[in-house]
Amino acid sequence: QQQVKQSPQSLIVQKGGISIINCAYENTAFDYFPWYQQFPGKGPALLIAIRPDVSEKKEGRFTISFNKSAKQFSLHIMDSQPGDSATYFCAAVGSGSARQLTFGSGTQLTVLP
Amino acid sequence: DAGITQSPRHKVTETGTPVTLRCHQTENHRYMYWYRQDPGHGLRLIHYSYGVKDTDKGEVSDGYSVSRSKTEDFLLTLESATSSQTSVYFCAISSAGTGTNTEAFFGQGTRLTVV
Repeated sequence: QQQVKQSPQSLIVQKGGISIINCAYENTAFDYFPWYQQFPGKGPALLIAIRPDVSEKKEGRFTISFNKSAKQFSLHIMDSQPGDSATYFCAAVGSGSARQLTFGSGTQLTVLP
Repeated sequence: DAGITQSPRHKVTETGTPVTLRCHQTENHRYMYWYRQDPGHGLRLIHYSYGVKDTDKGEVSDGYSVSRSKTEDFLLTLESATSSQTSVYFCAISSAGTGTNTEAFFGQGTRLTVV
């Protein structure tokens, strides 16, 4: 039973285009929603994150949109660049003190030059 | 990378043998985690620790045990490795606390192959 569902599994975008990755969650106890970026051979690294009391957060070319009632959130990458080619994971964090991450299945993004 | 070292980085082992993976941190963070990464599953939590000698199970803990005798070291042991445990294992650390948005930092990963 996957608590965080992510789509699409892979995404190919032209340079300068918009990349959109979607996630949905089931557990209403989640209270923090980060996105991680992973390059081949590396560990995931935090990209951007949002709390459920905010509907949108923007950092540079990266924007998270959050819909609490639908229990969905998405990552938008504007003006996508070849250097953005990586695997992206959405995640959700529970309210417990250990703040364990529950990850989506990942999206492999390829930005064509 | 935020002061996290995983060892070994690669290992091939035979079915039925014990295997221990090590995670060492220099950040003095309280929380340490072991995740495994498999295609189509993202990263799944195996075990985590919230202090020396304090550990708890994650989503996929069967077949794994952990130990934390020092703040800086978190060991993951496969008592009797099986082919289903072939995966990439990531250690993560965090200074997490309830109500905070503290970032989790990941190591470089250990690629384990069980033949």
